[in-house]
Amino acid sequence: GESVGLHLPTLSVQEGDNSIINCAYSNSASDYFIWYKQESGKGPQFIIDIRSNMDKRQGQRVTVLLNKTVKHLSLQIAATQPGDSAVYFCAENAGNTPLVFGKGTRLSVIA
Amino acid sequence: EPEVTQTPSHQVTQMGQEVILRCVPISNHLYFYWYRQILGQKVEFLVSFYNNEISEKSEIFDDQFSVERPDGSNFTLKIRSTKLEDSAMYFCASSEGTGQPQHFGDGTRLSIL
Repeated sequence: GESVGLHLPTLSVQEGDNSIINCAYSNSASDYFIWYKQESGKGPQFIIDIRSNMDKRQGQRVTVLLNKTVKHLSLQIAATQPGDSAVYFCAENAGNTPLVFGKGTRLSVIA
Repeated sequence: EPEVTQTPSHQVTQMGQEVILRCVPISNHLYFYWYRQILGQKVEFLVSFYNNEISEKSEIFDDQFSVERPDGSNFTLKIRSTKLEDSAMYFCASSEGTGQPQHFGDGTRLSIL
């Protein structure tokens, strides 16, 4: 079946550096994508979303890039801080279908 | 900022018993969801609910499960005849509409003994 997955299960970065978390998806019909951050003991926290009619969207210190040609999504975090340490999930859906989550990437920020 | 709240935060139940997990979605949201996350695994969709009925459900959401919106604020997930493999984090989420961000609660950790 079609699924959403992540290239890297763990990522360690130095505080202050930029982080890039990647996600591959296989459903070519997907038209909505979300990044979530999950801290220990908490639920997924919405970070940023992007629709398929865009290839880039920026938030506060975060940027999401969408490459529909290769079905790839990335989350860039600028000036990574210790508080950014968490597991990051991408999720996608097509129209009204349920969100499909990737497996998650653990981001560890080294002070 | 409005948030989704879930109770209890941790539920311990004997195998075979019934449990009810409770959620209060964000007040102006119209779509409600339940997800499950087994320890160390990804978040899995269970069911979506709109206009007082189930709009979609996954293969996981079999006859053992049911959802209800008993009043204008609560959204519940009932699990009957619980099994060991039902042990997981259960997350409730809500959204204003389809194609809108789903906002999650902090979950209920369900432990079946």
